[in-house]
Amino acid sequence: EPEVTQTPSHQVTQMGQEVILRCVPISNHLYFYWYRQILGQKVEFLVSFYNNEISEKSEIFDDQFSVERPDGSNFTLKIRSTKLEDSAMYFCASTSQGQGLTPLHFGNGTRLTVT
Amino acid sequence: AQSVTQLGSHVSVSEGALVLLRCNYSSSVPPYLFWYVQYPNQGLQLLLKYTSAATLVKGINGFEAEFKKSETSFHLTKPSAHMSDAAEYFCAVSDNNQGGKLIFGQGTELSVKP
Repeated sequence: EPEVTQTPSHQVTQMGQEVILRCVPISNHLYFYWYRQILGQKVEFLVSFYNNEISEKSEIFDDQFSVERPDGSNFTLKIRSTKLEDSAMYFCASTSQGQGLTPLHFGNGTRLTVT
Repeated sequence: AQSVTQLGSHVSVSEGALVLLRCNYSSSVPPYLFWYVQYPNQGLQLLLKYTSAATLVKGINGFEAEFKKSETSFHLTKPSAHMSDAAEYFCAVSDNNQGGKLIFGQGTELSVKP
């Protein structure tokens, strides 16, 4: 069964550094998402992306965050200047249809540790 | 705004016992509801979904959930727990007008005792 793949599985960075989290969604999917899960807390929506543009973003997704689909397969999340509170598990997800008709398929996540 | 509340952050059952994980939702439109499971160090795996068809939904690994509009609930059950069911379970609601964005509950950690 096709999977969403995320790299790296674990990223350690120093405060103030830029990080790029990478995702390869399922190939025929059109809607892409990033979520994060701070340790011990709920999974939170960050951003959704469709047709090469952001369709919705949460309050968390401030100017430090950006997403990009640089080619036909990758979907990246960039954090420009990381803060300690950005430490979390970041999940990429994709689906073939919006409007909740088809479930989101999640990757295994990237654990980001900011020191 | 939509929201999901999961009662009980931690549930412990004995192997072979009934599993009941509670989820209540708030939505101004007919919701799509989902249960996801997260095993340690893994991503979120879909267990089952409700998208306005049958109110009793069967999922993988013997789990099922019943949509009760009058109670705004979507509780997850399994008749007989197995050790391999130990994981974190998340209930989620999707606003079908918001491009499939999911709103997750706080999660319930299920422990299974031998």
